[in-house]
Amino acid sequence: DIQMTQSPSTLSASVGDRVSITCRASQNIGNWLAWYQHTPGKAPKLVIYRVSDLKSGVPSRFSGSGSGTEFTLTISSLQPNDFATYYCQQYNSFPGTFGGGTKVEI
Amino acid sequence: EVQLVESGGGLVQPGRSLRLSCAASGFIFDDYAMHWVRLVPGKGLEWVSGISWNSGTRGYADSVEGRFTISRDNAKNSLYLEMNSLRAEDTALYFCAKDPTDRLGYCSGGKCYSMNYFDYWGQGTLVTVSS
Repeated sequence: DIQMTQSPSTLSASVGDRVSITCRASQNIGNWLAWYQHTPGKAPKLVIYRVSDLKSGVPSRFSGSGSGTEFTLTISSLQPNDFATYYCQQYNSFPGTFGGGTKVEI
Repeated sequence: EVQLVESGGGLVQPGRSLRLSCAASGFIFDDYAMHWVRLVPGKGLEWVSGISWNSGTRGYADSVEGRFTISRDNAKNSLYLEMNSLRAEDTALYFCAKDPTDRLGYCSGGKCYSMNYFDYWGQGTLVTVSS
């Protein structure tokens, strides 16, 4: 299975900050990468698919970039609702695998 | 509005069985593949199993192959996960997740080579395996 490694595992930030999360794949996954946001007690939400396509309804302060083995999720100006754990997922190969998560905390 | 509501979790002894259910609404259920994904404490998310729109293709993670069975009832807009021979390492929050397509990914000859992402998730049901 393809291993996905996220960094950092925890990120401390303030409202209004620009933050970036990195996800590295153990082999080339092309553009087949998604990002999810999860807050405890709530359903995880798809934020981005195919590296940089924003799911309908997701604010434009979220953006994704990268290709091959290295990818980045950026939040341009952190809002109170954005404090959550973020996971990347590759779906280039079966089974799809997730990164270990990045907790964005105040 | 898409809604996925899981149920059936609980505390169970090792070696016993449990059946999870997921009630779907807000979309045409039999147009889409469905999955189970779990959040393992201290480890993160792990895809568990998936099923195509017509139950023609089913896939399992190696860690549950032979012990778990996924099924769906399109007439009832419901997804199920039958979990047998449960182990302590199956302890997790189990999510039902919707596929954006009707299939698991690219599958041929009984083997799948790619997957999809998940565009909607439920809130999860907690399974604790402990004596």
